[in-house]
Amino acid sequence: AQSVTQLDSHVSVSEGTPVLLRCNYSSSYSPSLFWYVQHPNKGLQLLLKYTSAATLVKGINGFEAEFKKSETSFHLTKPSAHMSDAAEYFCVVSDPNTGKLIFGQGTTLQVKP
Amino acid sequence: EAGVTQFPSHSVIEKGQTVTLRCDPISGHDNLYWYRRVMGKEIKFLLHFVKESKQDESGMPNNRFLAERTGGTYSTLKVQPAELEDSGVYFCASSQRRVIDTQYFGPGTRLTVL
Repeated sequence: AQSVTQLDSHVSVSEGTPVLLRCNYSSSYSPSLFWYVQHPNKGLQLLLKYTSAATLVKGINGFEAEFKKSETSFHLTKPSAHMSDAAEYFCVVSDPNTGKLIFGQGTTLQVKP
Repeated sequence: EAGVTQFPSHSVIEKGQTVTLRCDPISGHDNLYWYRRVMGKEIKFLLHFVKESKQDESGMPNNRFLAERTGGTYSTLKVQPAELEDSGVYFCASSQRRVIDTQYFGPGTRLTVL
């Protein structure tokens, strides 16, 4: 069975400081991993995805994530937070046979001025 | 190119009533998925269509939920009769042909059952 665990339900940072959103996964297969973001009153938007190519994945808006098999982690980072990054972020793993997505609990990112 | 659209954006109904949610996937996408987020819980898979066929409906909570995808285009999700615990946000996503293709999500329908 596959699962993801987001280690923090809320993260608060100051504008201009680094962002770290933590995610651990469990998978019987070589996983496909994603980060999605949901801004208030908007749909889910794909930030980035890992599909067994480079372990460091670059996404939109300056975000990146590193796949670490030894740690079963896929943490999301950004060097400098912007006010517009305030949103809920989801770490997701996909079932390779069906394509269905398994979501983490979500992490709400607050960015303070 | 238009994204995934969902209608309505919000729905408020009384317990026992019927509600039908609609999803229009990206044109040409064979795969269509429904997900749901109940308050305070994670987003969970409901079912998956490939064109007009139900590929996997293992996430459907019970037989009060009925999904269809007419002609392999848009999909509807009917809840009849609605119960309080059905309240939540219902998301639709579509992807091209392979199950590993990226899923693109709609804005969701917020359902409130009173």
